Amino acid sequence: DTEVTQTPKHLVMGMTNKKSLKCEQHMGHRAMYWYKQKAKKPPELMFVYSYEKLSINESVPSRFSPECPNSSLLNLHLHALQPEDSALYLCASSQETGGEQYFGPGTRLTVT
Amino acid sequence: SQQGEEDPQALSIQEGENATMNCSYKTSINNLQWYRQNSGRGLVHLILIRSNEREKHSGRLRVTLDTSKKSSSLLITASRAADTASYFCATDTKDNDMRFGAGTRLTVKP
Repeated sequence: DTEVTQTPKHLVMGMTNKKSLKCEQHMGHRAMYWYKQKAKKPPELMFVYSYEKLSINESVPSRFSPECPNSSLLNLHLHALQPEDSALYLCASSQETGGEQYFGPGTRLTVT
Repeated sequence: SQQGEEDPQALSIQEGENATMNCSYKTSINNLQWYRQNSGRGLVHLILIRSNEREKHSGRLRVTLDTSKKSSSLLITASRAADTASYFCATDTKDNDMRFGAGTRLTVKP
């Protein structure tokens, strides 16, 4: 199984809502990533987990809170987002950090 | 923040022609990777070249890396309409930080 799955595919939320994005992989990869991508722009790295520990946090606002419950799962908890946070959120995994990454299809988030 | 720049920003060619995209970066790297993204979808890994390699091939893809110039190129030979996509280079820096370039939008006309 070389697939990274993400749920939900689409999410619309108000600025006062709390929601979570989920990502799952069953390839035994030990590194997992969250990226944010705005239209016609490259992905921007948000967080990196290596062996279930947060190894990189790219100065992301605290309204985004990552969680890695186990080696197969990665969550991104969202709270009090702003309209400018609307974007495609991509999850990826790799065998180790720095390796070939497998991306999920993304969650398209709209903040109203 | 982005690590590098890619050029051209957009490229339009006829089916059967070759497409060349360039990527430049700023800091020392462990490796450089190329990815393809079809409109609004997840990225697909194409090829990884390590900092001690100069050239790599995979099917119709040829990647070069010049660490002295901090640049890489991706050549797609005998292009097909299905190659229409955005192409990104990504660098794995010494801090294991993945940085993507701005991307090249390739259109292959049938």
